[in-house]
Amino acid sequence: SAVISQKPSRDICQRGTSLTIQCQVDSQVTMMFWYRQQPGQSLTLIATANQGSEATYESGFVIDKFPISRPNLTFSTLTVSNMSPEDSSIYLCSVDRVAGANVLTFGAGSRLTVL
Amino acid sequence: KQEVTQIPAALSVPEGENLVLNCSFTDSAIYNLQWFRQDPGKGLTSLLLIQSSQREQTSGRLNASLDKSSGRSTLYIAASQPGDSATYLCAVYGQNFVFGPGTRLSVLP
Repeated sequence: SAVISQKPSRDICQRGTSLTIQCQVDSQVTMMFWYRQQPGQSLTLIATANQGSEATYESGFVIDKFPISRPNLTFSTLTVSNMSPEDSSIYLCSVDRVAGANVLTFGAGSRLTVL
Repeated sequence: KQEVTQIPAALSVPEGENLVLNCSFTDSAIYNLQWFRQDPGKGLTSLLLIQSSQREQTSGRLNASLDKSSGRSTLYIAASQPGDSATYLCAVYGQNFVFGPGTRLSVLP
């Protein structure tokens, strides 16, 4: 099964700045998923990142706020732009554990606090 | 639209007790259901996966069952330990992955 490395593990940022979160997988995967977990809440899918194409965003999430890169089959980044305190969350990268099996494996998450 | 709920929202038990966590979903057209564990401020660790054709899966002290027709899954934890304290989430995969809100478990020594 895939092993996911995510960084930073946590950060404290100032309002109005941007932060890029990196997700590295130890094997090639077709789709990578980015989730947000607000304090005390469950997971909400932000977008699905496919290599070689634009990310697919869920309702309520837009590319200008959460630009995603997927330069190859093992790496992706999520940027949280122009941050406000409402963006304080855990951001999680995820992949299918076994290709096509629709079984999720998660990274350790990036805990973001915006002051 | 698939909706997933989990009962109870929080649970506090003394060490050694057997306990049951519940997950319900509204659309029975799913391919699989996963149970995850999440420690505070951390990512998710997969515990058990049940395919839609299966009725249960076991791993150590954990047993998960699935009744797709009634839209329910249960996670049974035997002989609970303080190290089991965490939030437990279920997720169903149908057209996409949908997560429940989680059950926050505290096992007291």
